[in-house]
Amino acid sequence: DAGITQSPRYKITETGRQVTLMCHQTWSHSYMFWYRQDLGHGLRLIYYSAAADITDKGEVPDGYVVSRSKTENFPLTLESATRSQTSVYFCASSELGGYTEAFFGQGTRLTVV
Amino acid sequence: EDKVVQSPLSLVVHEGDTVTLNCSYEVTNFRSLLWYKQEKKAPTFLFMLTSSGIEKKSGRLSSILDKKELFSILNITATQTGDSAVYLCAVLNPYGNKLVFGAGTILRVKS
Repeated sequence: DAGITQSPRYKITETGRQVTLMCHQTWSHSYMFWYRQDLGHGLRLIYYSAAADITDKGEVPDGYVVSRSKTENFPLTLESATRSQTSVYFCASSELGGYTEAFFGQGTRLTVV
Repeated sequence: EDKVVQSPLSLVVHEGDTVTLNCSYEVTNFRSLLWYKQEKKAPTFLFMLTSSGIEKKSGRLSSILDKKELFSILNITATQTGDSAVYLCAVLNPYGNKLVFGAGTILRVKS
């Protein structure tokens, strides 16, 4: 199916474990983004990527790692999950960065216990 | 630091009312401002505004940008219960590679 998909949709993990959230888009968009959404904070940018093998930090990158070996995939890894990383995570993609709108995946609800 | 502030944080209206949502920003030489609607899942795109004073319309929704005063408004006329959602404003930074979001406005339309 065309679009942007995230997996898993829901995840519960324990403190200290490594967790990887997957994001896949079929449009060949250059730009991809990871956001977290918490009550009262709106969407905050974790990492973004302008192209394959090009990534950069956003507003709240600490505790997260990303990679982008292929244009269509942009996984987000929590190296050692903490309770403060309990959140809803959204992946987004955009064709031309600032010139076109970003399209969002359905989100992953992550709970760290 | 780039900053986007939305107001009000939440509001409750009755069907048929008209609402105005506000978004002010502090992003020097920004590229565009975007509005999204979020209903318990992924944000969906509404408008992209790049030029000051030009209104964008889609049905009962409209939006306008004032680049001099650094704000935008989103109007919804003849509100319906289906308009209940969180409305997010986002601004693209000067390099066009980051969307900075406001905290959102929670709109609830009562029947």
